[in-house]
Amino acid sequence: QVQLQESGPGLVKPSETLSLTCTDSGASVSSSNYYWSWIRQPPGKGLEWIGYIHYSGSTNYNPSLKSRVTISVDTSRNRFSLKVNSVTAADTAVYYCARGNRGDATWGQGTLVTVSS
Amino acid sequence: EIVLTQSPATLSLSPGERATLSCRASQSVSSNLAWYQQKSGQAPRLLIYDASNRAAGIPARFSGSGSGTDFTLTISSLEPEDFAVYYCQQRGNWPPFTFGPGTKVDIK
Repeated sequence: QVQLQESGPGLVKPSETLSLTCTDSGASVSSSNYYWSWIRQPPGKGLEWIGYIHYSGSTNYNPSLKSRVTISVDTSRNRFSLKVNSVTAADTAVYYCARGNRGDATWGQGTLVTVSS
Repeated sequence: EIVLTQSPATLSLSPGERATLSCRASQSVSSNLAWYQQKSGQAPRLLIYDASNRAAGIPARFSGSGSGTDFTLTISSLEPEDFAVYYCQQRGNWPPFTFGPGTKVDIK
């Protein structure tokens, strides 16, 4: 069964903010056992790690995206979110959320976000 | 930032053959390396974590080895469902948790 589900707009205009949410139905985002991550994959290309958040609220981001990215957690709704500011066409990708510890063992199905006017 | 290099880029093999995939890091990541399998149109699946530990539910034909800068994923006897793209990811020296460019295992 699908334990992680991404949701959000599939089309974002250039210079605007991309916002996605990932709802976890298999574990509590308040658990100390896991990190909750975002990873993306441009069409036909490889994987790029965006960042993660821990239950404590601590975050780590890819330095190449750090100035534009925010990951936050909503424990009341058991979900976590991704915001990417000032998007360009280069941000077009399938965005995955994932849960893990020593590796990302559980992934969402992914959602395609296209940046276009 | 640590750069991961995977070789070969493409590996053409027949079912039943042994597959050996390489991942090299630009500096030591100790044993903090994971391997993922990705089939077309699907999310990646964790195969190996901490260089040599199989994730839950992963068949024994998948094994990982190595430490420091050189790592290997071995598939002892390829099954039809194993033809896919394989990525390594370092989790030892972060951020970021970089991925390698991938090795495609296709049918010969």
